[in-house]
Amino acid sequence: AQSVTQPDIHITVSEGASLELRCNYSYGATPYLFWYVQSPGQGLQLLLKYFSGDTLVQGIKGFEAEFKRSQSSFNLRKPSVHWSDAAEYFCAVGPSKGNTGKLIFGQGTTLQVKP
Amino acid sequence: GAVVSQHPSRVICKSGTSVKIECRSLDFQATTMFWYRQFPKQSLMLMATSNEGSKATYEQGVEKDKFLINHASLTLSTLTVTSAHPEDSSFYICSALGLTQQETQYFGPGTRLLVL
Repeated sequence: AQSVTQPDIHITVSEGASLELRCNYSYGATPYLFWYVQSPGQGLQLLLKYFSGDTLVQGIKGFEAEFKRSQSSFNLRKPSVHWSDAAEYFCAVGPSKGNTGKLIFGQGTTLQVKP
Repeated sequence: GAVVSQHPSRVICKSGTSVKIECRSLDFQATTMFWYRQFPKQSLMLMATSNEGSKATYEQGVEKDKFLINHASLTLSTLTVTSAHPEDSSFYICSALGLTQQETQYFGPGTRLLVL
């Protein structure tokens, strides 16, 4: 069955520290991979996406993610976290071709940033 | 680019009334729009897929007669919660797939519905 797992429900980091949010997926073929961020009471904003090519993708707000096929992972990283990064982060996967565009979301990781 | 709006941002209604939520793609045409429901501290639950000019496809367990979806144009989809009850209170989010960016969903800001 297709699924997305974000093992960490809640993460707290100090401002200026590095961040890594984990995402593992189970999918029959190479999926399209996404990271979205959601601030309280808001919709989702696309941080970055991976379709093919270079497995290290750069996104907005200084985020990057690396696709590792052997580990079925697509972890999100940021070298130095800012207080404004506190939010909910969702990893999502979608079928790569001939699809309806439907996404499968992970349960989300809440990021808290300590001053 | 790729901006999606929702209206209203929040609505309070009495039990038994119907509420319409609009989802618009402002700067692109969307062949497909999606409607999600999100409970507090939880992930998004896909309710239905809306395709312009055709009937929506509902996910298992979602009552299509209760959650009416209309995708009348390439920039507008509406979700009507009919005969709303307190258990329908939730955060409803739409997303849109563009004609030229069919792999990526762009999300609206969400609508908070409270049914009294």
